[in-house]
Amino acid sequence: GAVVSQHPSRVICKSGTSVKIECRSLDFQATTMFWYRQFPKKSLMLMATSNEGSKATYEQGVEKDKFLINHASLTLSTLTVTSAHPEDSSFYICSARDPLAGSAGELFFGEGSRLTVL
Amino acid sequence: KNEVEQSPQNLTAQEGEFITINCSYSVGISALHWLQQHPGGGIVSLFMLSSGKKKHGRLIATINIQEKHSSLHITASHPRDSAVYTCAVISNQFYFGTGTSLTVIP
Repeated sequence: GAVVSQHPSRVICKSGTSVKIECRSLDFQATTMFWYRQFPKKSLMLMATSNEGSKATYEQGVEKDKFLINHASLTLSTLTVTSAHPEDSSFYICSARDPLAGSAGELFFGEGSRLTVL
Repeated sequence: KNEVEQSPQNLTAQEGEFITINCSYSVGISALHWLQQHPGGGIVSLFMLSSGKKKHGRLIATINIQEKHSSLHITASHPRDSAVYTCAVISNQFYFGTGTSLTVIP
């Protein structure tokens, strides 16, 4: 089946630095990718919808300048947490929609990236 | 008011029991996903539904578009089914339920 790969799976950084997380669709072209944040024992929180070749659509309350999303190709979207602070520590997950899999597009999730900001 | 309501939030069952998790939504949708996440694990989309019913092994998912309701059933539950199950609907955007934490006791 389709695979979405996220990298890195774990990252520790110092406060004030920026961290980039990559999300790749390995065997399909994803025109739309989604970025989520998950707090401990909580459900997913959609942060933004990333469309290839255009600006991302951010959910209410998500800072665009803080969480930079780039979807430069049909197989790669990146999330950059800029000037990270300890409160940005979280589990970040991406998903990608395979437009060829059904009318609404089958959804495949990355393995997630655990960010710890010291 | 949440666009997607899920129940129950927590569920403990004995091995072998039949389990039902419910999801109601208030928006028009093009599809609904049932997601599974094991403790410390990644997320898997179990089903994508736009109508009717789907079955995969011991898992069955149904959706009633008119009533804006979906259910996920697990037959002959097993401890390995212990996970968080979340419904997510695709409207003009994604809406997520709050998740149901299922624990199946041997």
